[in-house]
Amino acid sequence: AQSVSQHNHHVILSEAASLELGCNYSYGGTVNLFWYVQYPGQHLQLLLKYFSGDPLVKGIKGFEAEFIKSKFSFNLRKPSVQWSDTAEYFCAVNAPNFNKFYFGSGTKLNVKP
Amino acid sequence: DGGITQSPKYLFRKEGQNVTLSCEQNLNHDAMYWYRQDPGQGLRLIYYSQIVNDFQKGDIAEGYSVSREKKESFPLTVTSAQKNPTAFYLCAVLGPNYEQYFGPGTRLTVT
Repeated sequence: AQSVSQHNHHVILSEAASLELGCNYSYGGTVNLFWYVQYPGQHLQLLLKYFSGDPLVKGIKGFEAEFIKSKFSFNLRKPSVQWSDTAEYFCAVNAPNFNKFYFGSGTKLNVKP
Repeated sequence: DGGITQSPKYLFRKEGQNVTLSCEQNLNHDAMYWYRQDPGQGLRLIYYSQIVNDFQKGDIAEGYSVSREKKESFPLTVTSAQKNPTAFYLCAVLGPNYEQYFGPGTRLTVT
């Protein structure tokens, strides 16, 4: 079965610090990749996604992610975090069955003002 | 997403009782999903349905059942056979570009 690993379970940053959250997946074939965010008290929502093409994808709120096929990775980045970025972030993959989605265990980001 | 309703928000049941969680959508999309979210484990797929009258088991289907009689509705029953039912349950709808829209969730507590 597909597996998705998020090695950073809890990250604490000060405002304006740079962010990188790791995501690795196991399937070696074609994948669709996603990052979702869950702000406190809100629904899970899509941050960005990668299907094909430019491996550097940009999402909402200044987030971006880079797909590195050779490393089976899809890391999330933001150059300068804000207090409002405090949330839990989930990486997800849907492969090889594109109708099924596999989520990582999540990373809780706490940004100190 | 505002187009997905899950009720109730909090649900309490005694051990040994079946309980049904509601998920309704007005987004007019075909595919719907049920996930279970536990702290430190992310989201795990329970069941999914690509079309009315069809559904597939996810990775943790044991102790759960679903039905899909209408496009708008995908209820999940947590049966007494589920050994550890206390969790946060999320319903999702699949959009046209493989993005999932999630409901607000139901927190089930079984004592």
